[in-house]
Amino acid sequence: KAGVTQTPRYLIKTRGQQVTLSCSPISGHRSVSWYQQTPGQGLQFLFEYFSETQRNKGNFPGRFSGRQFSNSRSEMNVSTLELGDSALYLCASSLDRVEETQYFGPGTRLLVL
Amino acid sequence: SQQGEEDPQALSIQEGENATMNCSYKTSINNLQWYRQNSGRGLVHLILIRSNEREKHSGRLRVTLDTSKKSSSLLITASRAADTASYFCATPPSGGSYIPTFGRGTSLIVHP
Repeated sequence: KAGVTQTPRYLIKTRGQQVTLSCSPISGHRSVSWYQQTPGQGLQFLFEYFSETQRNKGNFPGRFSGRQFSNSRSEMNVSTLELGDSALYLCASSLDRVEETQYFGPGTRLLVL
Repeated sequence: SQQGEEDPQALSIQEGENATMNCSYKTSINNLQWYRQNSGRGLVHLILIRSNEREKHSGRLRVTLDTSKKSSSLLITASRAADTASYFCATPPSGGSYIPTFGRGTSLIVHP
């Protein structure tokens, strides 16, 4: 089975712009979660989607949003980018629940200038 | 506050030595998962141990779970330079909603 894929792998944006990141989970996995990883804050949970619905949400501002499509692929969007949004964004999929083993993608490294 | 916390923060050993890192948590758990992350890349799942298990092996990895002490340890035997990475634990609670949290991890450096 192919692993979790994320596109793009690297991205450079400027403050105020918006960005959309994409994640394709492992085939058959219905739960997709997103994380932000920074040197200062570590690995932080953004949100989880299951069957096209947001099931769980971390403590991030409304500028961070996501969605899931019927084929379980997911996108996350960050609007009005800030310098502090520079981070590695990781997507993870699991069969049904985030409590189960999660399979992570390679991440998208976002740099905001 | 973090549900799972890894320690030590950093560990430096020579190739061939064993590496032990620990994870402590606060509430009753459903299972405990260990992950590895090589620099700047995604996390890789290593092993999952359920709350009713006490020990589990996978290759050179040995995980123990002590639910009375709310702690787990990950032992890597005969370490290799390729084991250099950060190691994280995830501790889904046995009840209630779960917001996945990871600690700062243990940064392991294995010198050739």
